[in-house]
Amino acid sequence: DAKTTQPTSMDCAEGRAANLPCNHSTISGNEYVYWYRQIHSQGPQYIIHGLKNNETNEMASLIITEDRKSSTLILPHATLRDTAVYYCIVRVKRGANSKLTFGKGITLSVRP
Amino acid sequence: EAQVTQNPRYLITVTGKKLTVTCSQNMNHEYMSWYRQDPGLGLRQIYYSMNVEVTDKGDVPEGYKVSRKEKRNFPLILESPSPNQTSLYFCASSLSVDLHTEAFFGQGTRLTVV
Repeated sequence: DAKTTQPTSMDCAEGRAANLPCNHSTISGNEYVYWYRQIHSQGPQYIIHGLKNNETNEMASLIITEDRKSSTLILPHATLRDTAVYYCIVRVKRGANSKLTFGKGITLSVRP
Repeated sequence: EAQVTQNPRYLITVTGKKLTVTCSQNMNHEYMSWYRQDPGLGLRQIYYSMNVEVTDKGDVPEGYKVSRKEKRNFPLILESPSPNQTSLYFCASSLSVDLHTEAFFGQGTRLTVV
């Protein structure tokens, strides 16, 4: 399965942009990059996903490098409620299954 | 509101007493799955279902059963729970198994087996 590598933690000031990096150098051509976040022990919350083009929605932007080996999730104006563990995931299809493999994620702390 | 609903949210039980954790989605999704989350191990897939009456094992299926008699429901059954099944469980659903369809997760069930 394509593996992702993220820093363990980072912090940013409230109101500033939070840029969360992710490496996925073994990603295959048809595999998507997904970002989820988990606040405390709540259910993981979908943020955004992409294949090769940059994507933006009401929550965040996803920038994928041209070679697709890395990506960056951007929270444009972080708030205290964005403090969470953020998971970068490559969704892989194996036969009839397409599971999400969650790693350790990156803990984002937003400070006042 | 589109959602995945799990019940119960918290459960303490004794070894060997059969239990069922229910999962229901209101989005007409075909693909559903169960994960367990343990410290240091992340989320691991237990079982998945591509559609009604179609289920298969994930990465850690031992000690669990599932059924998919209706599209909206995907219960997780522990026939004889053991302490090593103490964990945080999540149900997830997505429109299909296709890679571009996002998965939505329930709020979790914290199970303790004593």
